[in-house]
Amino acid sequence: DTGVSQDPRHKITKRGQNVTFRCDPISEHNRLYWYRQTLGQGPEFLTYFQNEAQLEKSRLLSDRFSAERPKGSFSTLEIQRTEQGDSAMYLCASSFTAGGKTQYFGPGTRLLVL
Amino acid sequence: AQRVTQPEKLLSVFKGAPVELKCNYSYSGSPELFWYVQYSRQRLQLLLRHISRESIKGFTADLNKGETSFHLKKPFAQEEDSAMYYCALSGGGSNYKLTFGKGTLLTVNP
Repeated sequence: DTGVSQDPRHKITKRGQNVTFRCDPISEHNRLYWYRQTLGQGPEFLTYFQNEAQLEKSRLLSDRFSAERPKGSFSTLEIQRTEQGDSAMYLCASSFTAGGKTQYFGPGTRLLVL
Repeated sequence: AQRVTQPEKLLSVFKGAPVELKCNYSYSGSPELFWYVQYSRQRLQLLLRHISRESIKGFTADLNKGETSFHLKKPFAQEEDSAMYYCALSGGGSNYKLTFGKGTLLTVNP
């Protein structure tokens, strides 16, 4: 499968713990995006990278959230001191310049904070 | 600010009936509009985008700038069209983020 992949697919953690998610975009896609989706809502934008540069962050991305894309390939999203309100599906997407603004999504990581 | 509204959370039709999923948007510039679909247990995938002016799986959508709408239509619904449909907007220029509506769950009954 050459699509966007995410790991893990599911994560259960206790409140206050830190979690880290990984996203591997489609090869040679230079843009990578993170979204969060809660029940009954559409995906909400969190942040995006062009190559290794983080170009935009949403107000939704509190200080407890940090994302990196150190070599312009895979990306990680870390949530520190998780709260129950962080429970959601975290989606990653990627796109490439010649493809315009079409984004290709991964299967998501479902986080449950107890 | 970018906003997308899908007024129907649920839409149920019978096989062979026409279907229209509504999408209205708010954006001050020239947006790009998309329809994404999520079938059961599958990832979100692009259905169509307005700049391509194409028909995918029998679906079409026309951007109406006067009414700020991008409704998705299909003349004869099929059972395999049952899925969650999301309308999404990307702003002009170097604005790459997508703003999604809340989605419409389409059920096509036999």
